[in-house]
Amino acid sequence: SQQGEEDPQALSIQEGENATMNCSYKTSINNLQWYRQNSGRGLVHLILIRSNEREKHSGRLRVTLDTSKKSSSLLITASRAADTASYFCAAPLTQGGSEKLVFGKGTKLTVNP
Amino acid sequence: DTGVSQDPRHKITKRGQNVTFRCDPISEHNRLYWYRQTLGQGPEFLTYFQNEAQLEKSRLLSDRFSAERPKGSFSTLEIQRTEQGDSAMYLCASSPSTGRLITGYTFGSGTRLTVV
Repeated sequence: SQQGEEDPQALSIQEGENATMNCSYKTSINNLQWYRQNSGRGLVHLILIRSNEREKHSGRLRVTLDTSKKSSSLLITASRAADTASYFCAAPLTQGGSEKLVFGKGTKLTVNP
Repeated sequence: DTGVSQDPRHKITKRGQNVTFRCDPISEHNRLYWYRQTLGQGPEFLTYFQNEAQLEKSRLLSDRFSAERPKGSFSTLEIQRTEQGDSAMYLCASSPSTGRLITGYTFGSGTRLTVV
């Protein structure tokens, strides 16, 4: 089952522009996480926002969380060619004694120099 | 500790052969996860260990798949009688145990499996 669903699926912008990616999820969560993946590589954890937080910043990244709408957004400001990657949101799913992150399909971001 | 290590990075095998992948998590992390990722998709959960106990196994994991974490440290994922549909990137991740709060995962670089 997919917990996170990103939008758009692909985004192409020019260097210096801002990039916004959105994520919707299905169940109540205690946090939501964003990851980045360069082509053919593993995922890198970017930022975690807790359910009692509405906004969080980390460098050029800004994440918002709206628990009433079950949605989150990731904003990358002043984008660089090196930001080209796929970005995934992930939400925790707890079932019985097991806990795991469930990922969406991702947004493929291309930043053109 | 340089992070999560996966071996091999690439594996090409003939259909019907068995393959085994290894994952070495961050030593302080007692949670270990295996995911599978196909082109253009997000990672799909396969299985989860807390220490040496396998706590969950996805329905995606047929009986041809088995995973172990014998001493609560490294883990292996074995696929028997491989099929072309098994071709994917197999990702391992680890995280510390922090009660009910799921923290960020540290992923390895993955093992890319190609079944020909």
